Amino acid sequence: DTGVSQDPRHKITKRGQNVTFRCDPISEHNRLYWYRQTLGQGPEFLTYFQNEAQLEKSRLLSDRFSAERPKGSFSTLEIQRTEQGDSAMYLCASSLQGTASYEQYFGPGTRLTVT
Amino acid sequence: AQKITQTQPGMFVQEKEAVTLDCTYDTSDPSYGLFWYKQPSSGEMIFLIYQGSYDQQNATEGRYSLNFQKARKSANLVISASQLGDSAMYFCAMRVGTNAGKSTFGDGTTLTVKP
Repeated sequence: DTGVSQDPRHKITKRGQNVTFRCDPISEHNRLYWYRQTLGQGPEFLTYFQNEAQLEKSRLLSDRFSAERPKGSFSTLEIQRTEQGDSAMYLCASSLQGTASYEQYFGPGTRLTVT
Repeated sequence: AQKITQTQPGMFVQEKEAVTLDCTYDTSDPSYGLFWYKQPSSGEMIFLIYQGSYDQQNATEGRYSLNFQKARKSANLVISASQLGDSAMYFCAMRVGTNAGKSTFGDGTTLTVKP
């Protein structure tokens, strides 16, 4: 499968614990995006990378959230001291270029439940 | 700021009939792309169709077509000959600029196809 992959697919954690998610984009894509989606809503942008550089972060991305893409390939999203409000689907997407005509290909998502 | 508005939380259509899902957008940038995605209950986001702001003709992809009315800032999705497998959540999204980063999504429309 040469699509975007995410791991794990599901994560249940207790409030206050740290969690880390991984995203592997399509290999030739230089752009990688993270979105968060809550039930009944559209995805909300969190951050994106071009190669290893983090180019934009949303105001939604509090100090408890950090994302990395160290070698310009896979990316990790870490949430520290999780809160119940962090429960959501975390979607990763990649695209070939930055122009508006290039669609983003989405992974299957990581569903986080904070108890 | 960019904004996508989908005013139909839920839509019903009879199998084999056509259905139109509404989307209006707001941006001051003359260069943008409009996208429609399908999200089945399994959660993955599936790209359906793309329309560029400078495209003269409406986009079509199989049973999907995009009714692009630039002056009205609308980009409605038309699904012809609906199938039971079309039942899903549908999102309209926009990317802006010649070096577009994030996508901005609407809140989606839940389509139910009746047999």
